[in-house]
Amino acid sequence: SYELTQPPSVSVSPGQTASITCSGDKLGDKYVYWYQQKPGQSPILVIYEDNKRPSGIPERFSGSNSGNTAALTISGTQAMDEADYYCQTWDSTTAVFGPGTKVTVL
Amino acid sequence: QVTLRESGPAVVKPAQTLTLTCTFSGFSLSTSGMCVSWIRQPPGKALEWLARIDWDDDKFYSTSLKTRLSISKDTSKNQVVVTMTNMDPADTATYYCARVLKAAVGVYYFDYWGQGTLVTVS
Repeated sequence: SYELTQPPSVSVSPGQTASITCSGDKLGDKYVYWYQQKPGQSPILVIYEDNKRPSGIPERFSGSNSGNTAALTISGTQAMDEADYYCQTWDSTTAVFGPGTKVTVL
Repeated sequence: QVTLRESGPAVVKPAQTLTLTCTFSGFSLSTSGMCVSWIRQPPGKALEWLARIDWDDDKFYSTSLKTRLSISKDTSKNQVVVTMTNMDPADTATYYCARVLKAAVGVYYFDYWGQGTLVTVS
């Protein structure tokens, strides 16, 4: 079965850039989606189709995907961005989530 | 305004069958491109996709759980139901339903999520 890999945690200072990677075999051939989940809340979509932002998602969130690695970048990270982030793709008709990355804003 | 709400038992016993209902509003599951999925999350762990049902009644299941899952829809009631057989304590999790939007060929994403319902197997 298809698997995605993410670093367990990323730390970033306020105002700096956080980058979260998501790796999988030939991931660049698939679309990648990113979800943000804060404690006790449901996930929300922050990036779809590799690099598109849904309405209402701040411009500081951006995405890329090439080769075997996708990335979510948060520029000018704010305290409110502290959360778990999950990448997701489809392996044929099966949705696959990454293990999640906890972003801590120090 | 799109909303989804999960309902079902908070506690089930091992070996029992779990039945969860997702009641939604703001869209119709008879509209082309609309789908609903179930996703679960054990306490402190990652999201795990379970199943998806599409507007045309196509159904898709997690490879590892397909023998235990069944998904169906009632378009007139705006509901999607998932059943999971032979429940085990390892199935303790928050179960979410989410709308899946088919935005283009090969582009499906979870754009609206319910609040989730915690199911404990004990």
